[in-house]
Amino acid sequence: QVQLVQSGAEVKKPGASVKVSCKASGYTFTSYAIYWVRQAPGQRLEWMGWINAGNGDTQNSQKFQGRVTITRDTSASTAYMELSSLISEDTAVYYCARPTPYTSSWYGPFDSWGQGTLVTVSS
Amino acid sequence: EIVMTQSPATLSVSPGERATLSCRASQSVSSNLAWYQQKPGQAPRLLIYGASTRATGIPARFSGSGSGTEFTLTISSLQSEDFAVYYCQQYNDWPRTFGQGTKVEIK
Repeated sequence: QVQLVQSGAEVKKPGASVKVSCKASGYTFTSYAIYWVRQAPGQRLEWMGWINAGNGDTQNSQKFQGRVTITRDTSASTAYMELSSLISEDTAVYYCARPTPYTSSWYGPFDSWGQGTLVTVSS
Repeated sequence: EIVMTQSPATLSVSPGERATLSCRASQSVSSNLAWYQQKPGQAPRLLIYGASTRATGIPARFSGSGSGTEFTLTISSLQSEDFAVYYCQQYNDWPRTFGQGTKVEIK
């Protein structure tokens, strides 16, 4: 079965960077996109960006332009999201997610999600 | 960006009753609309995509309708496990955007 397993919780100081990993299993990693979505406490879900795990192309939300970097390691079937210049408002649970194959493996809604990684930004 | 607005913010329903949740898009998203269920401490779960197609394993009591800018999620007879927060999401345009959620609570 499809599984996305994320790295553990992080505590960072303002101005630092954080890198979250998402290890995929149960499907052909390079045949799908991986998206990153975050959820601040009590807030709606917020799309951050995505990577074509096949060719490595990425697209990020303009809100995070210049601060977010999404990469992947095909040999490890793992995607990564790095967020830099952290501020307190970046405190959130960060999720990776995979599109459902029933619409598009690149652009569709998400039927598989990681368990979430809590990133806390505090001085 | 397309703004997704859900109503109501909170819906109080008794078990066995029907629940109707609404989602409005600030511009047309065609039928590229999904619904998710999220319980505390869990990742969202895909319920509906294409505005009206149930995802794999989703019970028939969940149904979606609408197109363009107005969408509805209906839960025909609420079960105890259905009390959660529900989000709509458009995947017609970039950036992908979500509604603010509707909390379905026990009356």
